[in-house]
Amino acid sequence: AQSVTQLDSQVPVFEEAPVELRCNYSSSVSVYLFWYVQYPNQGLQLLLKYLSGSTLVKGINGFEAEFNKSQTSFHLRKPSVHISDTAEYFCAVSDPFNAGNMLTFGGGTRLMVKP
Amino acid sequence: EAQVTQNPRYLITVTGKKLTVTCSQNMNHEYMSWYRQDPGLGLRQIYYSMNVEVTDKGDVPEGYKVSRKEKRNFPLILESPSPNQTSLYFCASSLEGWGSYNEQFFGPGTRLTVL
Repeated sequence: AQSVTQLDSQVPVFEEAPVELRCNYSSSVSVYLFWYVQYPNQGLQLLLKYLSGSTLVKGINGFEAEFNKSQTSFHLRKPSVHISDTAEYFCAVSDPFNAGNMLTFGGGTRLMVKP
Repeated sequence: EAQVTQNPRYLITVTGKKLTVTCSQNMNHEYMSWYRQDPGLGLRQIYYSMNVEVTDKGDVPEGYKVSRKEKRNFPLILESPSPNQTSLYFCASSLEGWGSYNEQFFGPGTRLTVL
């Protein structure tokens, strides 16, 4: 079984400031890791994913995340946020050996960018 | 345009009145899935389907039914809805269910309220 913990339910930040959204996971097997973004009244959109290889993953809209196996973390970062980044962000993991392709999600972090 | 559609987007109903939420994808994806989203819990998988006529339970299947008679459609059925099924529901699809790296594409969501 696997689980995902997003340590902050809300993160307020001023426009153009850097931001880090934290994600920790637990799993007895190697996992794939994902970050999704949900804009108000919309479905989820994939920001980035880690499957293997380089631990620093770059995604859309200037976001990046770093996989740290020893700390079982996959924190999401952006050096300078915009008002349009205001959304809810979900970290998720999946088991490569699970044929059901199931994603296990964290509880979400609401990013609130202030002018 | 490649997309996952859901209908209705909003639904208010009463306890015990059977309802169906439809989901359709136009990407010829084999894998489809239903999730529910509740505050602080992220998204949890209800049911999934690896292909036509192949369905299986996710983490929270109680009170739900699904069917997969055609590749493009994956309706979610609540035979006797109860207030604890008030939630935001998402349908998702991916090319295959084997190999968890397949990106899941999400529909816009259906907000269900059961009184």
